[in-house]
Amino acid sequence: NAGVTQTPKFQVLKTGQSMTLQCAQDMNHEYMSWYRQDPGMGLRLIHYSVGAGITDQGEVPNGYNVSRSTTEDFPLRLLSAAPSQTSVYFCASTRTLGNYGYTFGSGTRLTVV
Amino acid sequence: KNEVEQSPQNLTAQEGEFITINCSYSVGISALHWLQQHPGGGIVSLFMLSSGKKKHGRLIATINIQEKHSSLHITASHPRDSAVYICAASAQKLVFGQGTRLTINP
Repeated sequence: NAGVTQTPKFQVLKTGQSMTLQCAQDMNHEYMSWYRQDPGMGLRLIHYSVGAGITDQGEVPNGYNVSRSTTEDFPLRLLSAAPSQTSVYFCASTRTLGNYGYTFGSGTRLTVV
Repeated sequence: KNEVEQSPQNLTAQEGEFITINCSYSVGISALHWLQQHPGGGIVSLFMLSSGKKKHGRLIATINIQEKHSSLHITASHPRDSAVYICAASAQKLVFGQGTRLTINP
């Protein structure tokens, strides 16, 4: 099993550009989520999904869009990148909400100039 | 006040010392997670606790549900234990503490 695969690992964008961060898991997990990690702020939830076709907003959803057309994939789209979106992004999955461990992707370091 | 508070924020110790990192939470939870993140690295899940105590090698995690408090202990600490340790409370979502940066000097 590959676990949670995130691509790309690094990305530099210009302000106003759009891009998609990819996240895929092969563990048949129902719950998938995106977080951003900023110095002094810890990890914050952007969007999450409890199953295919179902998504919802987290703490910091503005400027980001998600979809969940399959159980395996949960891409995060930056609609018009801003310097404030410079961060490290992590995708994570778990079997379902409750007493199950989370598996994290290796992260994407995004710089918006 | 954050829903999940960790202490200390930074901890430096000598190799071989016994390490304790504390986590207090104010939300109702189904489980408490301890995560490890090495510098520039990904996040690895160490423990998931809903009661009692778990041990894996030199790492021990405990939780007191009534007091809403959890601790992560490292016995015989080693420089390779240097990392950021994060506790996260799991309810309808994960709520993270700010992390504890641990440095073990040889």
